[in-house]
Amino acid sequence: GQQVMQIPQYQHVQEGEDFTTYCNSSTTLSNIQWYKQRPGGHPVFLIQLVKSGEVKKQKRLTFQFGEAKKNSSLHITATQTTDVGTYFCAGVDGGAQKLVFGQGTRLTINP
Amino acid sequence: KAGVTQTPRYLIKTRGQQVTLSCSPISGHRSVSWYQQTPGQGLQFLFEYFSETQRNKGNFPGRFSGRQFSNSRSEMNVSTLELGDSALYLCASSLVSGRVETQYFGPGTRLLVL
Repeated sequence: GQQVMQIPQYQHVQEGEDFTTYCNSSTTLSNIQWYKQRPGGHPVFLIQLVKSGEVKKQKRLTFQFGEAKKNSSLHITATQTTDVGTYFCAGVDGGAQKLVFGQGTRLTINP
Repeated sequence: KAGVTQTPRYLIKTRGQQVTLSCSPISGHRSVSWYQQTPGQGLQFLFEYFSETQRNKGNFPGRFSGRQFSNSRSEMNVSTLELGDSALYLCASSLVSGRVETQYFGPGTRLLVL
């Protein structure tokens, strides 16, 4: 079945440093979604990418969808302590029409 | 609009027992999905219900079952609990099915099996 791999599993940065998490799928995705889960909380939707090569920005967050629609990345510029949490990508398996989540990247920040 | 609600929030059971978890989706949302979240396995899809019908199913044993009512509220049942069933069970609702939409997650039910 479809697999979505996310790296790194953990990332610790100093406040102000940049952060990037990568998501790779074993199959072509119809779209990809990104979620953030704060410690003790539940996943909250951030964004959805649909088009090949699409780039979207939300303030300090930049999301990219690969040309082949098999990979994606989330980049945070100048991290702040409010960015702490686990970031999940979730790919849509076009055949089964269900979300397959990556393992998540847990971001911790040293203030 | 009120968000997705799940009850109970915390639950302790012993091996062999069964448990029923409840989820009320956002008003107007007709699709409800269930996920199991564990530190080792991440977010695993259990099943999705739309208009009282199971639309998709993940790779979980038959001990895990669910249903959806006419008001879109959903329940998930786990029978013959095992230690490995200890997890955070998340319910998510979305506006439509057939095309995967944004998932709005509830706070989850944290289940501990002793």
